[in-house]
Amino acid sequence: EAQVTQNPRYLITVTGKKLTVTCSQNMNHEYMSWYRQDPGLGLRQIYYSMNVEVTDKGDVPEGYKVSRKEKRNFPLILESPSPNQTSLYFCASSQGNEQFFGPGTRLTVL
Amino acid sequence: DQQVKQNSPSLSVQEGRISILNCDYTNSMFDYFLWYKKYPAEGPTFLISISSIKDKNEDGRFTVFLNKSAKHLSLHIVPSQPGDSAVYFCAASVVSGTASKLTFGTGTRLQVTL
Repeated sequence: EAQVTQNPRYLITVTGKKLTVTCSQNMNHEYMSWYRQDPGLGLRQIYYSMNVEVTDKGDVPEGYKVSRKEKRNFPLILESPSPNQTSLYFCASSQGNEQFFGPGTRLTVL
Repeated sequence: DQQVKQNSPSLSVQEGRISILNCDYTNSMFDYFLWYKKYPAEGPTFLISISSIKDKNEDGRFTVFLNKSAKHLSLHIVPSQPGDSAVYFCAASVVSGTASKLTFGTGTRLQVTL
């Protein structure tokens, strides 16, 4: 089954404790992206990757890092999480205009 | 600056009637538009799209209309069904290469009542 998976689905952490949210797709897509969804703000792009070892900032990259060492994986790294990064995060992949989204990761930073 | 706007945060429609969700954009470079549907605890799923060279695209109960001069698009759902209750996001992109960056609106929550 073609899909985008994210782990963990839910995470509660404390300020400053480094964390990684994993994302994997099995569709051999070149393009992958991370979004955060916040009330009243919709989906905002954090980082994206056009291919392996090619990443670039989206609209709200501050406080986040990404890497793309393999085509299928695109982890999101929060080196020092802060409460304003409490949000719902979505990973997506695409090979055209239509993006396929993962199920989301709800992160709470205390 | 919000380049894609959905000015109605919520909409309630009776089952069987038409649902009309609206979206406005400001960037004239956008040339491809999409609607995504999102249920709670799930990721957004693609619903329907339209290229800027068209003014209408239909897929079953779903039709998207594009008015380029007004920088406005709308999604019509007819007849509306209770299973259509979800949050709908409008998205726009500038087509480039093999994949395009999507800019999303803030979403409209549709409630279809019995």
